[in-house]
Amino acid sequence: QSVLTQPPSASGTPGQRVTISCSGSSSNIGSNSVSWYQHLPGTAPTLLIYSNNQRPSGVPDRFSGSKSGTSASLAISGLQSEDEADYYCATWDDSLKGVFGGGTKLTVL
Amino acid sequence: QMQLQESGPGLVKPSETLSLTCIVSGGSISSYYWSWIRQPPGKGLEWIGYMFYSGSINYNPSLKGRVTVSVDTSKNLFSLKMNSVTAADTAVYYCARDSGSRGNWYFGLWGRGTLVTVSS
Repeated sequence: QSVLTQPPSASGTPGQRVTISCSGSSSNIGSNSVSWYQHLPGTAPTLLIYSNNQRPSGVPDRFSGSKSGTSASLAISGLQSEDEADYYCATWDDSLKGVFGGGTKLTVL
Repeated sequence: QMQLQESGPGLVKPSETLSLTCIVSGGSISSYYWSWIRQPPGKGLEWIGYMFYSGSINYNPSLKGRVTVSVDTSKNLFSLKMNSVTAADTAVYYCARDSGSRGNWYFGLWGRGTLVTVSS
């Protein structure tokens, strides 16, 4: 059971906009920034979003992040087939540990 | 371009000690914080612990007592040791570059991961 709650799956057609939610509590998302990762099985996960809504250089602006209260969201616009992957949110919890969401498998139909 | 590469035995017997290293290339290990993260088969990611070369270390409380992380600046690598392993410790283990900020915590670079199976 992950500390952060994500939907196990999401889907969309090419060109669509999809959002993935990440729900936490006052001790984690409510007090610290959220990051998001893309993971293709067998490869190294990659950082998509940090500081709630900042993109590292090289990440397309189709990816955006937001945070409100104890929840965060990752939005992917102009969905492409190569976006099919697992997505994870993460933040620090004030109980002195890092926590992740359970992951969302995105399928491009 | 900095890269991370995990290495270690792929099979460990129950009750024994799991030992992994992460070699950092293309940059100095002394410039960043470093973390270990794992993913059991079919499950999500779990943070194990972080370290800084100067000795600042923190472990996931759920694993505290079984885990030791260390850094070797002369070889530009850091290590993970986990004792008294059980089948529940079977996972892909990743090393990652940690932001070093708990209020703004993220991993800017990951290794590809190494599968460790605990079985007799």
